[in-house]
Amino acid sequence: EVVLTQSPATLSLSPGERATLSCGASQSISSDYLAWYQQKPGLAPRLLIYDASSRAPGIPARFRGSGSGTDFTLIISRLEPEDFAVYYCLQYDTPALTFGGGTKVEIK
Amino acid sequence: QITLKESGPPLVKPTQTLTLTCTFSGFSLSTNGVGVGWIRQPPGKALEWLALIYWHDDTRYSPYLKNRLSVTKDTSKNRVVLTMTHLDPVDTATYYCAHTNLGVTNHAFDVWGQGTVVTVSS
Repeated sequence: EVVLTQSPATLSLSPGERATLSCGASQSISSDYLAWYQQKPGLAPRLLIYDASSRAPGIPARFRGSGSGTDFTLIISRLEPEDFAVYYCLQYDTPALTFGGGTKVEIK
Repeated sequence: QITLKESGPPLVKPTQTLTLTCTFSGFSLSTNGVGVGWIRQPPGKALEWLALIYWHDDTRYSPYLKNRLSVTKDTSKNRVVLTMTHLDPVDTATYYCAHTNLGVTNHAFDVWGQGTVVTVSS
């Protein structure tokens, strides 16, 4: 199976700052089949990015996904108060899908 | 508008079998490319993918849980049913179902249900 490692585990930032989240895969993900989700307490995850860099409908332009192969990045250009949450990556390249362990973006 | 809703027992005893139902609207599981997946999240922990069923009855399972899981669909009733056998307290989690469409987001889940909490305890 493909193991996804997200770093850092926690990111402490202030509103307005830039957030850079990483997702590393144990083997190359072909066709960039990687997605990013945002989850707030008590709520279901929300799709932000699919196919590594395509924004889902309704997702603000401050969310940008990039990367290929084994290294993927989610950048939030300027943090808004509503962006403080946990973020997960998901790979869907192999028949067995896998999620990363998550990165918590908290208010500094 | 696509919506999904999970339902099932909130409390299950160890060794019992869990049956969860995902009832959806706004799409058909007979449409090419459409699938419904199951994902769970233990309290305070990360998401874990469990299973996926597609419009043409192709099914996929987590290799760790493959022997305990079964997913079926009832296209006429817009439902997907997940069955998990031999429940253990470590299976305590919020269980989600989610929609995917190969022609839109490939296998990425774009719409999720609100989740249902299942506690395994004697």
